[in-house]
Amino acid sequence: SQQGEEDPQALSIQEGENATMNCSYKTSINNLQWYRQNSGRGLVHLILIRSNEREKHSGRLRVTLDTSKKSSSLLITASRAADTASYFCATEETGANNLFFGTGTRLTVIP
Amino acid sequence: EAGVTQSPTHLIKTRGQQATLRCSPISGHTSVYWYQQALGLGLQFLLWYDEGEERNRGNFPPRFSGRQFPNYSSELNVNALELEDSALYLCASSPTRANTGELFFGEGSRLTVL
Repeated sequence: SQQGEEDPQALSIQEGENATMNCSYKTSINNLQWYRQNSGRGLVHLILIRSNEREKHSGRLRVTLDTSKKSSSLLITASRAADTASYFCATEETGANNLFFGTGTRLTVIP
Repeated sequence: EAGVTQSPTHLIKTRGQQATLRCSPISGHTSVYWYQQALGLGLQFLLWYDEGEERNRGNFPPRFSGRQFPNYSSELNVNALELEDSALYLCASSPTRANTGELFFGEGSRLTVL
């Protein structure tokens, strides 16, 4: 399968705690992206990290990429109830021009 | 600026019928992507159109087809509907096919097959 896999499938934390989600993939990539999806709605782009980058920050988000292990992690710091959503990683494989999405992590932030 | 728009929002069909879903990309975007998201699952890549041509296709049977019009809007057709076709169908657009970059998603069309 070309899809990545997120881990864990579901995560429940208290407001204010940090949330870490992991993504593993199988092929060489141009970039890896993280998206958020609120309950059955469209996806919203969060952050893109290129294959030659190791870490990237955007507000409360921190993404790391380890191409040798074919894995990425998304850290959300100081979580809020509004962060409750599903989070997907997506990979643009080398030579391809479309994204393949992982299976998602369902994050619940308890107020 | 208007985002990606999809219609209809909901569609109910019976087995064997045909469904047509529509997508209008963000103005200036030439690439349109279709994804299927079955309940509780990840997104499965269906089709990619750019400049009116089908550029790539996911692992779906031929009864899933589509096209892109000169104004870059797109249509997804699903023939001979089966129960397992029930899903949220998401359309996304991007400004160029040089590299994928960020995709901009619509809110989806939920297809229910009875």
